[in-house]
Amino acid sequence: KNEVEQSPQNLTAQEGEFITINCSYSVGISALHWLQQHPGGGIVSLFMLSSGKKKHGRLIATINIQEKHSSLHITASHPRDSAVYICAVRTSGNQFYFGTGTSLTVIP
Amino acid sequence: DSGVTQTPKHLITATGQRVTLRCSPRSGDLSVYWYQQSLDQGLQFLIQYYNGEERAKGNILERFSAQQFPDLHSELNLSSLELGDSALYFCASSRDSLIGEQFFGPGTRLTVL
Repeated sequence: KNEVEQSPQNLTAQEGEFITINCSYSVGISALHWLQQHPGGGIVSLFMLSSGKKKHGRLIATINIQEKHSSLHITASHPRDSAVYICAVRTSGNQFYFGTGTSLTVIP
Repeated sequence: DSGVTQTPKHLITATGQRVTLRCSPRSGDLSVYWYQQSLDQGLQFLIQYYNGEERAKGNILERFSAQQFPDLHSELNLSSLELGDSALYFCASSRDSLIGEQFFGPGTRLTVL
């Protein structure tokens, strides 16, 4: 069993749609990261969360520590949001585990 | 541009060889992390250094080693290379050792033939 599970694996949306990507984890964590990886391969850190909710522009990330669950929301999606979104956790023992990623395609 | 640099960008080598990947963290960042991303295994954490000291170890093979130098740049050494070592190797840096946001370098694509 993977320590981090993401869903869905693939997602296609129309431009303007509200998108949610989910992440569940099974280990004790000190922080959860949401990463974005574009087709060229580069990785950008979107959020680092240890509790509550964070917002950057059209992106919102939430975490529920009791339920071991996090969500990444994209409001008013745009074709430039097309990328792979990866959930990663840092455990209390200073290890990192990654989800397999959600491939998002936003169609104009 | 994250401010983290990695060299080389691409590396093609043969089985059994040894290579060194280099990473320069963002100015002021003391922590360096190394990750491997392969098609079959996804992203995996290899090792973390903080201000020259090893801080955490992940799925790093015994054939691999890393170090962080006094100027804070880091090198990942891969030896006795196998076909399965072909992957993207990312370096990331953060301000501190535990809770800092990480900034990723562009990666080094290693191909072992």
